[in-house]
Amino acid sequence: QSALTQPPSVSGSPGQSVTISCTGTSSDVGSYNRVSWYQQPPGTAPKLMIYEVSNRPSGVPDRFSGSKSGNTASLTISGLQAEDEADYYCSSYTSSSTPVFGGGTKLTVL
Amino acid sequence: QVQLQESGPGLVKPSQTLSLTCTVSGGSISSGSYYWSWIRQPAGKGLEWIGRIYTSGSTNYNPSLKSRVTISVDTSKNQFSLKLSSVTAADTAVYYCARDYGGNSLWDVWGQGTTVTVSS
Repeated sequence: QSALTQPPSVSGSPGQSVTISCTGTSSDVGSYNRVSWYQQPPGTAPKLMIYEVSNRPSGVPDRFSGSKSGNTASLTISGLQAEDEADYYCSSYTSSSTPVFGGGTKLTVL
Repeated sequence: QVQLQESGPGLVKPSQTLSLTCTVSGGSISSGSYYWSWIRQPAGKGLEWIGRIYTSGSTNYNPSLKSRVTISVDTSKNQFSLKLSSVTAADTAVYYCARDYGGNSLWDVWGQGTTVTVSS
């Protein structure tokens, strides 16, 4: 199973919006709504931010939103804050009944 | 509030077997529709799913690691474990245990991670 494709880095200024893409295939992202997103500040464990494409766990700010179109899922962070600076990973269930991660995207808040 | 804690040797020699245990506290490992996963992350690199187990003992493994991985569960101790055989330097990473809701690739609780270095 190949890793999902994410841009290596994105950046934005405080208050702006940024979108991180996660591209898979018809065997994963395109066929299942089991896409989730994780935030990982340096030196810490990942934290679930979005599950099942667009659902937010309790406690996650509504500035974080998720969507999907075809084989590509997206995470949008609006009203960017300094504390949002971190690595972000997507994951998807696959037709092999196993999950796969994206390569990760480093978000820099300028 | 369920918490996970990894434990095990931080240094393993090449060709030997890496063994880690994840202890679940604040709840029963047998309750709910949860699978229990191992995920690793080499320094400066991305996340890699290793495998998972359900409390029935049913397992799924990453095809790229399947020949070397065994995940087991001990419900009496509220623990699950990872064994990775024939390790090389490429297996050096931070190893996380995590709870997967419904086997849906949705990890909502993570351990803090433990660093394992493969070196002679």
